[in-house]
Amino acid sequence: AQTVTQSQPEMSVQEAETVTLSCTYDTSESDYYLFWYKQPPSRQMILVIRQEAYKQQNATENRFSVNFQKAAKSFSLKISDSQLGDAAMYFCAYRSALGGFKTIFGAGTRLFVKA
Amino acid sequence: GAGVSQSPRYKVTKRGQDVALRCDPISGHVSLYWYRQALGQGPEFLTYFNYEAQQDKSGLPNDRFSAERPEGSISTLTIQRTEQRDSAMYRCASSSTGTSGEQYFGPGTRLTVT
Repeated sequence: AQTVTQSQPEMSVQEAETVTLSCTYDTSESDYYLFWYKQPPSRQMILVIRQEAYKQQNATENRFSVNFQKAAKSFSLKISDSQLGDAAMYFCAYRSALGGFKTIFGAGTRLFVKA
Repeated sequence: GAGVSQSPRYKVTKRGQDVALRCDPISGHVSLYWYRQALGQGPEFLTYFNYEAQQDKSGLPNDRFSAERPEGSISTLTIQRTEQRDSAMYRCASSSTGTSGEQYFGPGTRLTVT
């Protein structure tokens, strides 16, 4: 069974600085999707960025980028120029591409942004 | 509608009662998913549907939990004989295409069993 591990329960960053959130996963599959979701205090779930495992190029969305290391099964999220609005819970998630729509989420990392 | 909606948003019930949680997906979305999220944890997969067919119910904790989507649109998650450990946020999500499709999450139903 696939698992997703986020080893940092909490992280803190100064406004305008850069922070990296870690995520590792375990799977025997070669084709899958990885996601980072943001959950602000409103508890909505907002997709931040996604990565297809067959793509070597790291995904980027404005200030958000990932470092995808397939061999190491690592999928970290980098937030550049951190803003107060980035403060939230961040969840890493895995979904197989081989049929089946089950998405496995990590336990989350709470990000604090200091002014 | 503009997004996934869920009702009720909050539900308080007494232990032993049955509850029905409703999800109205984005119009035209083929796939619908149910998750449960405990406070401070990530969402935990419960079940999903393609159209009206329940494709995977491996995440349902026990036989007190069931879900249906009879017409391939609105879905209901039912919990029978509720227990205090069922207290959580129950989230619904929908997507338009296959495994690559982005899941759009609803606001959730906060269930409290007293």
